[in-house]
Amino acid sequence: SQTIHQWPATLVQPVGSPLSLECTVEGTSNPNLYWYRQAAGRGLQLLFYSIGIDQISSEVPQNLSASRPQDRQFILSSKKLLLSDSGFYLCAWSSGLSGYTFGSGTRLTVV
Amino acid sequence: QKEVEQNSGPLSVPEGAIASLNCTYSDRVSQSFFWYRQYSGKSPELIMSIYSNGDKEDGRFTAQLNKASQYVSLLIRDSQPSDSATYLCAVNIRGGSNYKLTFGKGTLLTVNP
Repeated sequence: SQTIHQWPATLVQPVGSPLSLECTVEGTSNPNLYWYRQAAGRGLQLLFYSIGIDQISSEVPQNLSASRPQDRQFILSSKKLLLSDSGFYLCAWSSGLSGYTFGSGTRLTVV
Repeated sequence: QKEVEQNSGPLSVPEGAIASLNCTYSDRVSQSFFWYRQYSGKSPELIMSIYSNGDKEDGRFTAQLNKASQYVSLLIRDSQPSDSATYLCAVNIRGGSNYKLTFGKGTLLTVNP
């Protein structure tokens, strides 16, 4: 069966520091991969999606970036965090038009 | 702007009652619709998917879809305190050459013992 791993679970980072969140999927090949952010009191916002290695689409202009160096690995990064980057970051995968399966999420607090 | 809208809530029902959650969407060509449950501090969990007009039942959950009215709903029968969570409606909406899952802001459901 397919599983999705996301880490770390919790992160507290100072403003201006870099960020790297990692997500890996097991049990499937060539998945569609997604990064979402859920800010306090707000809905899920799609940040990036990828349909293949090195194929990344950005949904919202911001100081975040994403990379997919391997088929089942998706990384979210930032060179300098802002206070507004705080939130609950979720990685998800899907195949075709099926529903997405989410990882357990990373709660990021920028201080 | 293509979007998904849900009841603002919160919705409070007594244990054993039917909870009704509603959602409308703006993209007429959407073909797949989902309901997620999210407990506080946790990630969303897929509980129902529906692709055709009509009703789809799974245990105590029934999803209803009306594409002509661009409306999808979720009914929870015999509500239990463990059903207390935020329910997210999600619709696959076309953006360019790809479909992406777009979420409503969610409805907070509280089931009172």
